[in-house]
Amino acid sequence: GESVGLHLPTLSVQEGDNSIINCAYSNSASDYFIWYKQESGKGPQFIIDIRSNMDKRQGQRVTVLLNKTVKHLSLQIAATQPGDSAVYFCAEISPGNTPLVFGKGTRLSVIA
Amino acid sequence: DVKVTQSSRYLVKRTGEKVFLECVQDMDHENMFWYRQDPGLGLRLIYFSYDVKMKEKGDIPEGYSVSREKKERFSLILESASTNQTSMYLCASSDGQGITGYTFGSGTRLTVV
Repeated sequence: GESVGLHLPTLSVQEGDNSIINCAYSNSASDYFIWYKQESGKGPQFIIDIRSNMDKRQGQRVTVLLNKTVKHLSLQIAATQPGDSAVYFCAEISPGNTPLVFGKGTRLSVIA
Repeated sequence: DVKVTQSSRYLVKRTGEKVFLECVQDMDHENMFWYRQDPGLGLRLIYFSYDVKMKEKGDIPEGYSVSREKKERFSLILESASTNQTSMYLCASSDGQGITGYTFGSGTRLTVV
């Protein structure tokens, strides 16, 4: 079946640098995408979402970019902080209220 | 603060035991989900429910069942626990259209010995 995947399982960045976490999705019918952050011992927490009629959305220190041509999603974190260390998941939903499909996650480690 | 509450953070059960994992949400959400999370495999959907007394199989329903007698509560049942069901179990809920994404509980780490 179609699924969401991530290019890199781990990412290490220096504190203060920008982080970019990538995600490839294969279901061209997906119309809603979400990034989640999961800290150790906790459940995933919503970070930011984007609909397929947009190509960019910004939040506080985070930006999500959607490229539907190549079915690619990215999460950019500006001025990465130690508190950003976590596993990040992308997820997609297809029309019809189908359940979220999650990628396998990328572990972000921030080096102080 | 809205919440999805999972009754246990850690559980240790013996092979063959019947195990109940409970999940309660206070957001009046229609949809509820059970996922399991394993290293390198991400989150995999076990069962979900879009309404009371309604259930749908996810990607890996084998060995599990669910119960949704009330809107706020969604229970995951392991009829006869096996060691390959040792995992982190995550419950989530969302509104009727899934528009706002999911709210997750903190997870239950189940070990079957």
